[in-house]
Amino acid sequence: AQTVTQSQPEMSVQEAETVTLSCTYDTSESDYYLFWYKQPPSRQMILVIRQEAYKQQNATENRFSVNFQKAAKSFSLKISDSQLGDAAMYFCAYWVWGGSQGNLIFGKGTKLSVKP
Amino acid sequence: ETGVTQTPRHLVMGMTNKKSLKCEQHLGHNAMYWYKQSAKKPLELMFVYSLEERVENNSVPSRFSPECPNSSHLFLHLHTLQPEDSALYLCASSQDTGRETQYFGPGTRLLVL
Repeated sequence: AQTVTQSQPEMSVQEAETVTLSCTYDTSESDYYLFWYKQPPSRQMILVIRQEAYKQQNATENRFSVNFQKAAKSFSLKISDSQLGDAAMYFCAYWVWGGSQGNLIFGKGTKLSVKP
Repeated sequence: ETGVTQTPRHLVMGMTNKKSLKCEQHLGHNAMYWYKQSAKKPLELMFVYSLEERVENNSVPSRFSPECPNSSHLFLHLHTLQPEDSALYLCASSQDTGRETQYFGPGTRLLVL
């Protein structure tokens, strides 16, 4: 079965500090896409960052960056200079072909709290 | 409006009621999705539509009935639901069903009494 594991149900970080959220996945495919989504209390799932598996360079988006270790099937998210607005549930997901179209497989999420 | 919108945001219904959830995307996408989000569980894909045709139905009970009249609108018709169907129902869209990023709506919080 294809799965995504987020081993940290909850994390906490001090404002302006750096935090890393972990994610591992299990797939036999060689070509896939990885995502981190953020879901604040408003419930809107927002794309944070996307990584193509064929690219060796780690994706970055402003204060957000990933550490993609393909051999280890690891895809962690680093948030630098944490802000109060970063408090949310963070979901790791990967896209893979399933049947006649692609499927997004999600982890259970990590709840991030930011302390002022 | 921009992005993906969903109505209603909250819904309470009895087990004998019939209700519908609505999703609209303003992104010009060709694919739309329904997901179920329950506490402590990963998001579960329910239905996928591509160019108004259903391409995936992940063994969802028949008390959930999707409808996609055009590429911008997606409905989820509900009837004779069970309390365990209480969850957040999320709609998403993408350019197609390939490797494109999916964009989500704010969800409908459903409570079945």
